Amino acid sequence: AQTVTQSQPEMSVQEAETVTLSCTYDTSESNYYLFWYKQPPSRQMILVIRQEAYKQQNATENRFSVNFQKAAKSFSLKISDSQLGDTAMYFCAFMKHAGGNYGQNFVFGPGTRLSVLP
Amino acid sequence: DTGVSQDPRHKITKRGQNVTFRCDPISEHNRLYWYRQTLGQGPEFLTYFQNEAQLEKSRLLSDRFSAERPKGSFSTLEIQRTEQGDSAMYLCASGPSSGLYNEQFFGPGTRLTVL
Repeated sequence: AQTVTQSQPEMSVQEAETVTLSCTYDTSESNYYLFWYKQPPSRQMILVIRQEAYKQQNATENRFSVNFQKAAKSFSLKISDSQLGDTAMYFCAFMKHAGGNYGQNFVFGPGTRLSVLP
Repeated sequence: DTGVSQDPRHKITKRGQNVTFRCDPISEHNRLYWYRQTLGQGPEFLTYFQNEAQLEKSRLLSDRFSAERPKGSFSTLEIQRTEQGDSAMYLCASGPSSGLYNEQFFGPGTRLTVL
């Protein structure tokens, strides 16, 4: 079974600063995907960024980038130029690579609550 | 709004009552998932449908829980004889079956409180 660990229950950052959220995972799979989801207060989960495990290049999406270390099973999220709207719970998630009818459900970490301070 | 919708958004019930939640996925999506999220935790997988077929169920889905997706459209999740431990946010997600991975779009959730 896969497990996802986020060791920082809460973090805060000043507006316009940079913050890094940590995530480690455990799996025996060789092909998989990793994700960061954002859940703003009382709003639905939104995909922030995803990484295919077979790709060595770290994914980037505007102000969001990841540091994917496959051997260390580490997948951290860096948010640059933090904005007040980035305040949310951030979940790291794992998904197996599979085909056919297999559903590929997520395995989520416990989340990190990020507060961006003005 | 063409996103995933869930109804009701909030439900308060007394222990022992039955409750039913509804999820309307994005219309062209044939995969539908239910997750449960307790306070301070990440969502946990409950069950998965491809079209009308329920293909996977988590061990978390006790025999008091039943899910259906008639005609492969909307889905319902019923909890019978609710217990206080069932209090949680119930999330629905839908996605297409094509592509290398199963992208999932989440609904706003139904928050259940069992008194």
